[in-house]
Amino acid sequence: DIQMTQSPSALSASVGDRVTITCRASQSISTYLNWYQQKPGKAPKLLIYAASNIQNGVPSRFSGSGSGTDFTVTISSLQPEDFATYYCQQSYGPPWTFGQGTKVEIK
Amino acid sequence: QVQLVQSGAEVKKPGSSVKVSCKASGGTFSSYAMSWVRQAPGQRLEWMGGIIPISTSANYAQKFQGRLTITTDESTSTAYMELNSLRSEDTAVYYCARVGTMVGVEVLDHWGQGTLVTVSS
Repeated sequence: DIQMTQSPSALSASVGDRVTITCRASQSISTYLNWYQQKPGKAPKLLIYAASNIQNGVPSRFSGSGSGTDFTVTISSLQPEDFATYYCQQSYGPPWTFGQGTKVEIK
Repeated sequence: QVQLVQSGAEVKKPGSSVKVSCKASGGTFSSYAMSWVRQAPGQRLEWMGGIIPISTSANYAQKFQGRLTITTDESTSTAYMELNSLRSEDTAVYYCARVGTMVGVEVLDHWGQGTLVTVSS
């Protein structure tokens, strides 16, 4: 199985901060990499697909980059509604696997 | 507007089975694959398997082979996930999610609200 490792596991930031989360795959997955946002008690929500494409309706302050084994998602100016847990997910090959999550908390 | 509505919370005894349903509306049910993902308390999301309704062909993560059955009923636009021989480690929130394809990459673009399954004696 392809292992997905995110860093950091948690971070504290203030409104307006620029935040970057990293995801590393255990083997090359090209750009078969998606990012999801999950708020407590809610289902995940697709944010970014194919490494760098923003899902319809997602604010433009979110961006993604990377290919191969290393990927990032960046929030250019953190807003109150962005405090959540973020997961990367590879769909290169089954079983699809997720990172362990990065919890973004209020400083 | 695609909506996936799942059945309610379940409490099960170890060794028993659970069947969770996921009713889709607002889209063409048979045109999209459906996946099941679970999340144990404080744990990462875990993909369990998926099915293509039009072909009734399902594939499962190795971890769940022999214990998991995913089916669909096109007449009611409903997908089902049945997990057998339950143990305490199966306590989790179970999600159904529609599989879309965007620029050639499969994504989980719509999710059900989740169903909590608690396994306890």
